[in-house]
Amino acid sequence: AQSVTQPDIHITVSEGASLELRCNYSYGATPYLFWYVQSPGQGLQLLLKYFSGDTLVQGIKGFEAEFKRSQSSFNLRKPSVHWSDAAEYFCAVGSSGGYNKLIFGAGTRLAVHP
Amino acid sequence: GAVVSQHPSWVICKSGTSVKIECRSLDFQATTMFWYRQFPKQSLMLMATSNEGSKATYEQGVEKDKFLINHASLTLSTLTVTSAHPEDSSFYICSARGRGIYNEQFFGPGTRLTVL
Repeated sequence: AQSVTQPDIHITVSEGASLELRCNYSYGATPYLFWYVQSPGQGLQLLLKYFSGDTLVQGIKGFEAEFKRSQSSFNLRKPSVHWSDAAEYFCAVGSSGGYNKLIFGAGTRLAVHP
Repeated sequence: GAVVSQHPSWVICKSGTSVKIECRSLDFQATTMFWYRQFPKQSLMLMATSNEGSKATYEQGVEKDKFLINHASLTLSTLTVTSAHPEDSSFYICSARGRGIYNEQFFGPGTRLTVL
C-alpha cells in the first residue's frame, strides 16, 4: 500500500540555521511527490513537486528537495530558515498520477527560535 | 495563485443535526474537488473526490450516506455531515483542481466542526 512517513513530528531550529525535513514514501511505481506548508488560518500551499527529471527540485520561499529513489526519500531543505517559516509541513505522494489522489504524511511542525 | 474559500470557517452544532460546508474556487473553474479530514496533529485523510456533474467517489471506510458531497457547479462543492455526532468533530479541508495552469490541488483554509 502507498504510504508516506515523516519521522519527525516536531523540529525546532534557530533563525538563520539550515533545515532538513525528512520524508520517506512507499509507492510501487514512479512517484509523484509533493511538499506542502500549512500555516494557521490558511490553506495548504504547494512548496514544490517532483514528477520526473532532475532529482533536485527548487521550490518557492527558498526551499528545495531531493528525490532519492534508492532511499525512497524526498527530503525538504532550506539553507537559512526565517522566523516566518514556522508552520506545519506535509510531504505527499500522488497516486493515480499527478494531482489526483494525494496521500499525506503526518506532518512536521517547525518552530523557529529567534 | 488560485484561491479556494470555505464557509464557514468554524461551526458548532448539536448532536443529531446536519451541517453543510461550502467550498468555492474563486478565480478558476474546478473540474475536480477533493474533501479531506484532518484530526488534531495528524495527517489529512482523503474522504472523497468529486467531479462536476458526477457523483462523488468515496474512499474506503467513508460513509457516503453520512458525508454527502455535491459538486453542482464548476466553482462550488458542498459537504453535508448528516446527523452529526461528537466523533464527527474534526477539521474538514477541501481542495479544487482545474485545467491548464490550475492543474494542481489548491486548498481551502479548512472548516473546524465541533459537535456537542
